[in-house]
Amino acid sequence: ETGVTQSPTHLIKTRGQQVTLRCSSQSGHNTVSWYQQALGQGPQFIFQYYREEENGRGNFPPRFSGLQFPNYSSELNVNALELDDSALYLCASSLTISSYEQYFGPGTRLTVT
Amino acid sequence: GENVEQHPSTLSVQEGDSAVIKCTYSDSASNYFPWYKQELGKRPQLIIDIRSNVGEKKDQRIAVTLNKTAKHFSLHITETQPEDSAVYFCAASRRIQGAQKLVFGQGTRLTINP
Repeated sequence: ETGVTQSPTHLIKTRGQQVTLRCSSQSGHNTVSWYQQALGQGPQFIFQYYREEENGRGNFPPRFSGLQFPNYSSELNVNALELDDSALYLCASSLTISSYEQYFGPGTRLTVT
Repeated sequence: GENVEQHPSTLSVQEGDSAVIKCTYSDSASNYFPWYKQELGKRPQLIIDIRSNVGEKKDQRIAVTLNKTAKHFSLHITETQPEDSAVYFCAASRRIQGAQKLVFGQGTRLTINP
């Protein structure tokens, strides 16, 4: 059984640019959630995907968007990057939408300059 | 929406002593309360969780208690060891649109002094 993986590990972008982050779910898991973790803070829920459909969204603007693919891997896209978008982006997978437990990937550290 | 408050923000204990971290939540419909441990530069790791129909759960040196009436839950670590040093996050969630969405506390940096 493989755990949750994310790529890239680190990324540096300039304000106004666009970025795509990737996540591979734990084997057999069909539900993926994305979180933003600012330095010194707890993770904040961005959105969740289940069977390629967005299933709930946190308090993030539309320039944060996502995709889930048939193999349940997922992408987080952020347009028009702002300095405040600098954070650790974590994805977490669950066995299915009704599961309680969420298992996190190692995260992507995004720095916006 | 749900709000989770976590205290203290930092905690320092002597090796072998106990550590307690407390969280309060606002949404009475919350039904699942996990605790995550995050070491520096690593992923949050689920260490223990409790559901709303249970008052206490224990796993070796770690225990969690839940008081639904008061809307607070706590993490207890006994016989602390240096490898327990990390940031600990509590979270609360309820089922919305069939899915469990986590709301995290601000974290507690636990330091175990040898």
